[in-house]
Amino acid sequence: GENVEQHPSTLSVQEGDSAVIKCTYSDSASNYFPWYKQELGKGPQLIIDIRSNVGEKKDQRIAVTLNKTAKHFSLHITETQPEDSAVYFCAASIRNFGNEKLTFGTGTRLTIIP
Amino acid sequence: SAVISQKPSRDICQRGTSLTIQCQVDSQVTMMFWYRQQPGQSLTLIATANQGSEATYESGFVIDKFPISRPNLTFSTLTVSNLSPEDSSIYLCSVEASGALPPSSYEQYFGPGTRLTVT
Repeated sequence: GENVEQHPSTLSVQEGDSAVIKCTYSDSASNYFPWYKQELGKGPQLIIDIRSNVGEKKDQRIAVTLNKTAKHFSLHITETQPEDSAVYFCAASIRNFGNEKLTFGTGTRLTIIP
Repeated sequence: SAVISQKPSRDICQRGTSLTIQCQVDSQVTMMFWYRQQPGQSLTLIATANQGSEATYESGFVIDKFPISRPNLTFSTLTVSNLSPEDSSIYLCSVEASGALPPSSYEQYFGPGTRLTVT
């Protein structure tokens, strides 16, 4: 089955600087890669996703890149703000009808230092 | 997107008892999922629940311990049976719904979770 590794496990960044979180996956058939943000006491919130027919996707201060050959994808947050502090999870799945199971990475605790 | 609510938000239960968690969605969805998140850990899929069929359980999870109901397209329950302290976790309901992120497609959304503590 799919295995997703995520690094780093913790990350501290000065406010205004950029943060990068990296994930690798094992199943070359995976074609959907979402990122979730989980704040304390809340459920994971989908913040951005990318499909395997795209190499990069941006949404304001957040971007995700995908390298299918190397089987890794990354989350980039620019101009970080205190409200970006949370745990971030990457995930991977094979998007076929009836098989949308997500495999999650181990999470990155991001702390923005004011 | 989808708005998901769970009840209860948290509970403290005695060893040997059971807890039933309810998940309600604001729109009809085909696929619903139940996850477990142990303290400080990642999310682990327990089972997939489609309306009108038996739930499909992941390796390490069995129906006797985690019975699931899916009576309609907006509601599901997960029961955690014969509780032990090792069952102390956050239990999350998730659904596959039409996406809010462009380009529009199906995406997975999570409820707020149920924090279970077993004493």
